[in-house]
Amino acid sequence: ETGVTQSPTHLIKTRGQQVTLRCSSQSGHNTVSWYQQALGQGPQFIFQYYREEENGRGNFPPRFSGLQFPNYSSELNVNALELDDSALYLCASTVDREPGELFFGEGSRLTVL
Amino acid sequence: GQNIDQPTEMTATEGAIVQINCTYQTSGFNGLFWYQQHAGEAPTFLSYNVLDGLEEKGRFSSFLSRSKGYSYLLLKELQMKDSASYLCAVRDYNSGAGSYQLTFGKGTKLSVIP
Repeated sequence: ETGVTQSPTHLIKTRGQQVTLRCSSQSGHNTVSWYQQALGQGPQFIFQYYREEENGRGNFPPRFSGLQFPNYSSELNVNALELDDSALYLCASTVDREPGELFFGEGSRLTVL
Repeated sequence: GQNIDQPTEMTATEGAIVQINCTYQTSGFNGLFWYQQHAGEAPTFLSYNVLDGLEEKGRFSSFLSRSKGYSYLLLKELQMKDSASYLCAVRDYNSGAGSYQLTFGKGTKLSVIP
């Protein structure tokens, strides 16, 4: 148990739709990062939020966007879903803005048909 | 950008020792991490190296050589529950974003057999 919870755990969408994934960070953690993990691959960094501001982004298009709220919970939004967006989306929290020992949630598995 | 290489799969026998290698190429290196991920579960932190040398943590040890861009994870007295993917991750400073980022390799799937 890492204290990081994500919802929903599984969901199915169709191409072109939009999805919002949610993450509740471990208590006291002010930094959250989101990763996309395709089957058989390592997690790919999407972006990171520190105290409600984005402070790092990987090679993902603008249709991937996020928010971090004052209680440090977070959302990942993906617009105009494509088939290749099917993956496990992992949220990870940590106590400072230098990612290292990340505490991961169990992930949200998205299937795009 | 970063380039992180690790073997795709390895098999080892229960009770044995296994070494999982990781090589990387990056600028602004600021630490190397190893994570364990069981099938269908989230990654969990194993170890962290920022200086050259060996860090030992029970049955697990991790080594780093910054000049060679090389690390390894050593697992001793293998147990069946050690069957998992092992992810090498490099932290570096992204000057464009003004922040540190953690980049993962594709992972090494370790199978421990009786």
